[in-house]
Amino acid sequence: RKEVEQDPGPFNVPEGATVAFNCTYSNSASQSFFWYRQDCRKEPKLLMSVYSSGNEDGRFTAQLNRASQYISLLIRDSKLSDSATYLCVVNPWTGGFKTIFGAGTRLFVKA
Amino acid sequence: DADVTQTPRNRITKTGKRIMLECSQTKGHDRMYWYRQDPGLGLRLIYYSFDVKDINKGEISDGYSVSRQAQAKFSLSLESAIPNQTALYFCATSDLSRGPSTDTQYFGPGTRLTVL
Repeated sequence: RKEVEQDPGPFNVPEGATVAFNCTYSNSASQSFFWYRQDCRKEPKLLMSVYSSGNEDGRFTAQLNRASQYISLLIRDSKLSDSATYLCVVNPWTGGFKTIFGAGTRLFVKA
Repeated sequence: DADVTQTPRNRITKTGKRIMLECSQTKGHDRMYWYRQDPGLGLRLIYYSFDVKDINKGEISDGYSVSRQAQAKFSLSLESAIPNQTALYFCATSDLSRGPSTDTQYFGPGTRLTVL
């Protein structure tokens, strides 16, 4: 089992749709969680951190479920510019560095 | 100017050649990383450095070496390039001073390496 797993997609949605991605992680000791966005052939960039209480940034909402060991990203009112690959990132912080990137979920938003 | 820069941006080389990829940052971060990205596999850590005197192997360090010349510079070398090292290589930096929940990684633009 991979340490961080994501549905690779692609998710094809129309503008204005709501879309949700899930990411599961295997290490129950994981302490910090992030979503990054990567445009085609570009570098990944932080989209948002994921806190235990959940957090929202405009149209984006991130949730953490420690009991089931998954994090989610919800995008409301999708825009064409949201088309990208979304990477789930988990850091166990258990003795040494080990940030783990998921392989990413591709999103295409269509006009 | 970009905070994290990588040179070259693209490189085509032949099997057996020695290649160096360079990374510079102006963010003042102590931590620097080298990753490679292959389709469907996500980012995989090659080497990381928490300060100038600290170098650590990542999950796929075989065939690679690194040098941390200064706080701002971290280079990756392929001593004898092979075709399966064809990939997109990213350098990244981070600052842990405010704790693990803020350990955001800042990536350079990437180097696309092709080994023929």
